[in-house]
Amino acid sequence: GIQVEQSPPDLILQEGANSTLRCNFSDSVNNLQWFHQNPWGQLINLFYIPSGTKQNGRLSATTVATERYSLLYISSSQTTDSGVYFCAVGDTGTASKLTFGTGTRLQVTL
Amino acid sequence: GAGVSQSPSNKVTEKGKDVELRCDPISGHTALYWYRQSLGQGLEFLIYFQGNSAPDKSGLPSDRFSAERTGGSVSTLTIQRTQQEDSAVYLCASSLAGTISGEAFFGQGTRLTVV
Repeated sequence: GIQVEQSPPDLILQEGANSTLRCNFSDSVNNLQWFHQNPWGQLINLFYIPSGTKQNGRLSATTVATERYSLLYISSSQTTDSGVYFCAVGDTGTASKLTFGTGTRLQVTL
Repeated sequence: GAGVSQSPSNKVTEKGKDVELRCDPISGHTALYWYRQSLGQGLEFLIYFQGNSAPDKSGLPSDRFSAERTGGSVSTLTIQRTQQEDSAVYLCASSLAGTISGEAFFGQGTRLTVV
């Protein structure tokens, strides 16, 4: 099955700093989503981005499907950005599931 | 409702008992997925429904696990003879499209603790 790798696994930032999270995948995809799992465990949809670039406030994402990676940019980080960021993909060979990466654990400090 | 709803939010059960977890998807979403997340881990796929049928059950870890979906809406995940290793958060998601190419939305999860 498709492999999804996220980096870095852990990240500590001071409030106000910028960061880039990366997601590499091993095969062609027809779905790619970024989620933020907050400290209460809820998965929040950030971006549905199988290709191209999107922006939402301080967050933006880019997926280069031909090179099999996606990037999530967080600018001017806030303590509320803390949590785990997951990348999940649906590969073109199956209709049935999103495969998740192992996540990037982000801690934003004052 | 506006989002995916799961119940109960928390469930503590004794080893060997059966449990049922419920998922109410977003109205009109034909695809429904169950995942499991053990403490500090990523999400593990369990089963996918398209309408009332389950074309992919490949993630169910043993025959103690089963799921059904009725009326193209509510789904129930049943774990028989629970074991301590079944302790985890069980997450349900739904999407509008018939394939995983559609955006999926997750419920808040059911935290299952087997004692």
